[in-house]
Formats: sequence, structure tokens, C-alpha cells
Amino acid sequence: QKEVEQDPGPLSVPEGAIVSLNCTYSNSAFQYFMWYRQYSRKGPELLMYTYSSGNKEDGRFTAQVDKSSKYISLFIRDSQPSDSATYLCAMIHTGGFKTIFGAGTRLFVKA
Amino acid sequence: ETGVTQTPRHLVMGMTNKKSLKCEQHLGHNAMYWYKQSAKKPLELMFVYNFKEQTENNSVPSRFSPECPNSSHLFLHLHTLQPEDSALYLCASSSTSGDYNEQFFGPGTRLTVL
Repeated sequence: QKEVEQDPGPLSVPEGAIVSLNCTYSNSAFQYFMWYRQYSRKGPELLMYTYSSGNKEDGRFTAQVDKSSKYISLFIRDSQPSDSATYLCAMIHTGGFKTIFGAGTRLFVKA
Repeated sequence: ETGVTQTPRHLVMGMTNKKSLKCEQHLGHNAMYWYKQSAKKPLELMFVYNFKEQTENNSVPSRFSPECPNSSHLFLHLHTLQPEDSALYLCASSSTSGDYNEQFFGPGTRLTVL
């Protein structure tokens, strides 16, 4: 079983839709949960991170962590064509700096 | 230059060639990483250097040879590669001072092995 599972998509939505991206994981030692965004021909860049369980909101983006279910989500409200990218979930053990990444979900937002 | 830079951006090489990838970070970080990114697969961590010392080698074949002369520069030397080594090679850097340390990535080198 992979440590982190993420559906690679692609996911195609119309402009203005609410997008839900998800990852599951198997290791309960993960404490930091991140979402990276990767545009074509660029490296990943950090979008949001959360510590332990709960929600975190930043503009149109909301990250949610459910440690009891080992499930994390990223919601994008009022999606825009500029949100078209690959979104990678990532996780770190407490006190560590080795990051475990998901496969990334390719998102297309159509104008 | 700011952030993390990588050269070259694209590389095509034959199976018998020897080439090197270069990464430079301008962020004052002490840790540097090499990742391999293949289509629809998770980022694969290859090597980690912390204060120039290699702290991780994820069972990477010996045809990949890393070098870290200082905390700002990282190289990946390539020789006798296989077609399945074709991928995007990403370099990243971070500090290691806290419980959580964001990794900053370069744009990657797109490698094609013929």
C-alpha cells in the first residue's frame, strides 16, 4: 500500500465550479499536511499547509484534514481558468523534513 | 537570481553519454533535495543533503551520482542511463530548523534518454 494515494485525474470543470481534491494516507505519524500547485513547465510551489486536524482557509482555497479517517481535501471555490494546474498533496512526519508526495491531480478549468 | 534555479532546462542524451544537472539555491537554506517526477506517479525522493552531508539515498541506481560541494549548490551526474530514466528532475531546498520546513522547488530539468 502506498503511503499517500491521490487520483491523478484529469479533472475537468467549468469556470465558477467548486472543486474538491482529495488524498488518503496510511501513516498516522503524519502531522503536517500540504498542498502544492504545479503549473506546466514549473516546479511545485506551496499553496497551503495545515497542522494536525481541522480546516484552514485562504481566499478561495480551503484545506481540510480528517486524521481519524486519514483523509485530506482541498476545496477551490469559484474556480478560474488560472487555477488549471496539477495539485499535489504532501505530508511530513513530526520533527522530520522528508516529505511524502501524492501523484498529483491534473485540474482543467474551462472558461 | 532568486529562489532555486536549475540548468539545463531540457536535456536529451544517449544511453552511453555522461551529463550533469546543476541546481543552485539563493535562499540561505541548508538542505537540498533531488526528486524524480514521472507522469501520474508521486514525486520520488532520490537524495537529500543537509549541510553538505548526504542524509538520504532512496535506493537510487549508481548511474545517478549526486554531488553537493556547499549548501547552495547541488549536482546530479548521469551516466549510462536507461530510457526509463526519462523524467522531470526537480531540485528543492529547505531549512531544517523547525518542525515544519517548506520546500522550495526549481523549475526542473526535462530529461529524455534515447
